Order: sequence, then structure tokens, then C-alpha cells
Amino acid sequence: DSGVTQTPKHLITATGQRVTLRCSPRSGDLSVYWYQQSLDQGLQFLIHYYNGEERAKGNILERFSAQQFPDLHSELNLSSLELGDSALYFCASSAEKGEEAFFGQGTRLTVV
Amino acid sequence: GQNIDQPTEMTATEGAIVQINCTYQTSGFNGLFWYQQHAGEAPTFLSYNVLDGLEEKGRFSSFLSRSKGYSYLLLKELQMKDSASYLCAPGGSYIPTFGRGTSLIVHP
Repeated sequence: DSGVTQTPKHLITATGQRVTLRCSPRSGDLSVYWYQQSLDQGLQFLIHYYNGEERAKGNILERFSAQQFPDLHSELNLSSLELGDSALYFCASSAEKGEEAFFGQGTRLTVV
Repeated sequence: GQNIDQPTEMTATEGAIVQINCTYQTSGFNGLFWYQQHAGEAPTFLSYNVLDGLEEKGRFSSFLSRSKGYSYLLLKELQMKDSASYLCAPGGSYIPTFGRGTSLIVHP
């Protein structure tokens, strides 16, 4: 158990819908990262938050947004969903920038 | 940006030693991570190299040469459970950035 909790574990939704994925980092970790992993693809970095502030953006679509709350949990919002958005979405946290990141078990999103 | 090159797939025999190479080009290098990922599961941290040289941790060791943009992960005394993907992740700007990884298949 990495200490990072993601909910829900599985999500099935229709095209055009909007979903929210939730991540609770390890206790005390200030950094939260979101990654997308499509079938047989590598982990694609989406966005990084540090202590409530957005610090870096990767290949994140405009239909996607995220935030980190004062209690350090984070949410990833995906809207106007398309079939191609079906993937595993991982959240990871680290105590400080540049330290080892611990991954949650992921949310498997299926868009039908 | 980041450019990461690892072999797509490797096979090895139980009990053997295998070396997984990784070359990278990145801006703002802050160290290199290795992660292990079993299919459908979360990546788990294996090692982190900031300085040049070899870091040993049990059956796994990791090497880094910053001037060459090169790292390798060495796995000794291979076990069947080591069958997984191994992800090299340069930490540019403090963010682990992953390639597609190397799928290692360990057979009896």
C-alpha cells in the first residue's frame, strides 16, 4: 500500500459526459502528479500541483482540468468525454519536488 | 522536452542477471528514477540516482552517467515475479517523465 488513495477504482461513462477523479496523497506529501496511461502506452504526464498551486502542465487537453485543495487532496475533471479518453489515470504524490513519487492504484475510466 | 529510449522487450531466464539500458535527453535534469509496473497495476519505485555511479539495493542496482545521458537497471537472481515493465524516468524539472518502458519476461 503506497498510502495514495484514488477513487473511484473503476468508472464507466458515456461519450460527452463529465467525470471527477479524486486523489488523496500520502500524509504530509505536498506534491501531486496526474498521469494518463492508455492501453500499451507509457505514462503521460498531465499536471503537477505543489501545496495547492499548479506548477507544471504536460500534455493535458483543454477539456481536462485539475485542482489541489487546502487539505492537499486533488481532483482531476474530465469533460466532453471521448472514446479515446478511456485509460488508466494515476495520481502520484511526493513529499517534496524531485523526491520519489508514490502512485495510487489508479482509476480505470471506460468511455462507451 | 524529454526523449527517452529503452528496449521495448527483453527476455531472461529465472536465476540469471539482466541489464536494462536507458538513454535520455532532457532539459533541467534533476535525477533519474526507475519504476517497476506489473500489468494493470500502479508503478512502484525502485531507485533514484542523482549523482553518477552505481547504487545497489538488494537484487536491484541502478547506474547513472549524466554526461552520457545514460542509465541502466541491473536485476540479479531473477525471479518469475520480476516479469513486469521497467520504466526509466528522468526527473526533468522535478517531474518524473516516463517512456513506454521495457517489458521484461522471465521464463523458467
